[in-house]
Amino acid sequence: AQSVTQPDIHITVSEGASLELRCNYSYGATPYLFWYVQSPGQGLQLLLKYFSGDTLVQGIKGFEAEFKRSQSSFNLRKPSVHWSDAAEYFCAVGARDTNAGKSTFGDGTTLTVKP
Amino acid sequence: DAGITQSPRHKVTETGTPVTLRCHQTENHRYMYWYRQDPGHGLRLIHYSYGVKDTDKGEVSDGYSVSRSKTEDFLLTLESATSSQTSVYFCAISDGTGSSAQGTGELFFGEGSRLTVL
Repeated sequence: AQSVTQPDIHITVSEGASLELRCNYSYGATPYLFWYVQSPGQGLQLLLKYFSGDTLVQGIKGFEAEFKRSQSSFNLRKPSVHWSDAAEYFCAVGARDTNAGKSTFGDGTTLTVKP
Repeated sequence: DAGITQSPRHKVTETGTPVTLRCHQTENHRYMYWYRQDPGHGLRLIHYSYGVKDTDKGEVSDGYSVSRSKTEDFLLTLESATSSQTSVYFCAISDGTGSSAQGTGELFFGEGSRLTVL
């Protein structure tokens, strides 16, 4: 069965600092990988996704993520954080042998941005 | 924004009562899902649908049933609500798997339905 681990429950960074959110997955083959963001009281919005090809993927709002097969990781990065990035971030993995919409989510990382 | 509407957005009910949550989409997407979100647990899949009248269980389906009589509507029913079903419920839709022939596989979420069972 597929699974996702987000080791950091809560991260605090200063505005303008760089950000890296960690995600490790477990899946028997090359997975589909996603990062979603959730603002308070809202649904989730897709930031970026990896299906195949270039292992460095670009997303919305200046985010990027790198798929590292050897480390089973898909870490999310942003070079300079803005106060509006404060939210909860979820990594998700979808199986290739079935509907990728049956995604398994990590428990989430809450990002706080200090002024 | 994807056209997904959940109703009701907030509901308080008592243990033992039936509850139905509705998800309505205007995107004509084939796949629809119900997730629940609880602190420390991320999102967990309850049930999903891959077409009209085609549904299957997710990882936390006990105590829940679903129905999909039209492409645009996916109903989640709690036959007899319990306090452990207090949660925020999210509907999501997808246009298919990640293969290029079938769509992106990404999920589009509704804004959630907060259910409190007293």
